[in-house]
Amino acid sequence: DVKVTQSSRYLVKRTGEKVFLECVQDMDHENMFWYRQDPGLGLRLIYFSYDVKMKEKGDIPEGYSVSREKKERFSLILESASTNQTSMYLCASTPVGLNTEAFFGQGTRLTVV
Amino acid sequence: AQTVTQSQPEMSVQEAETVTLSCTYDTSENNYYLFWYKQPPSRQMILVIRQEAYKQQNATENRFSVNFQKAAKSFSLKISDSQLGDTAMYFCAVTTSGTYKYIFGTGTRLKVLA
Repeated sequence: DVKVTQSSRYLVKRTGEKVFLECVQDMDHENMFWYRQDPGLGLRLIYFSYDVKMKEKGDIPEGYSVSREKKERFSLILESASTNQTSMYLCASTPVGLNTEAFFGQGTRLTVV
Repeated sequence: AQTVTQSQPEMSVQEAETVTLSCTYDTSENNYYLFWYKQPPSRQMILVIRQEAYKQQNATENRFSVNFQKAAKSFSLKISDSQLGDTAMYFCAVTTSGTYKYIFGTGTRLKVLA
């Protein structure tokens, strides 16, 4: 059973804190993604990685950074959390290929207070 | 740049009836794939159906089928014999040969009524 696991389902952090969201996949996929999901805005791509230590900015990278030191793990970092980063965060992974199915984690609902 | 538009924020359908969710997209690429994903209240996103752009034949998966109109850049999802378990957010998405990123629409919240 293939799996993408996000470290937390719910998270509450204070403004200014450094926040780490972790994602691990067990399918040996090359590509990994972080999306942010907000009502009425759908899924917006923050960053994606197509190989270890490789990353590319998505559509809304400001205020975020990522780390991929191992193939199976992709971390999203909020350097200094702000209230406008309160959202649902979804991690996904895919193998190489255009028609490949994306496998998603169950999401982390982050609240910044 | 690729864009995906879902113009129906919310829809409802009676159990056992048929419903169609709309999606339009824009891309300058010739080689691309289209997808519909379902996100139930559990939040676990799962693939419903996919369509290759160069295939004329519309994809079907059991009660789910698509109406792919390439010239109009339209990719609608038809759900037949709707079931309560179909209640979910549905997202349309595209990937292109220029990039392997998934670009998603804003989603349609579907409620199946008993």
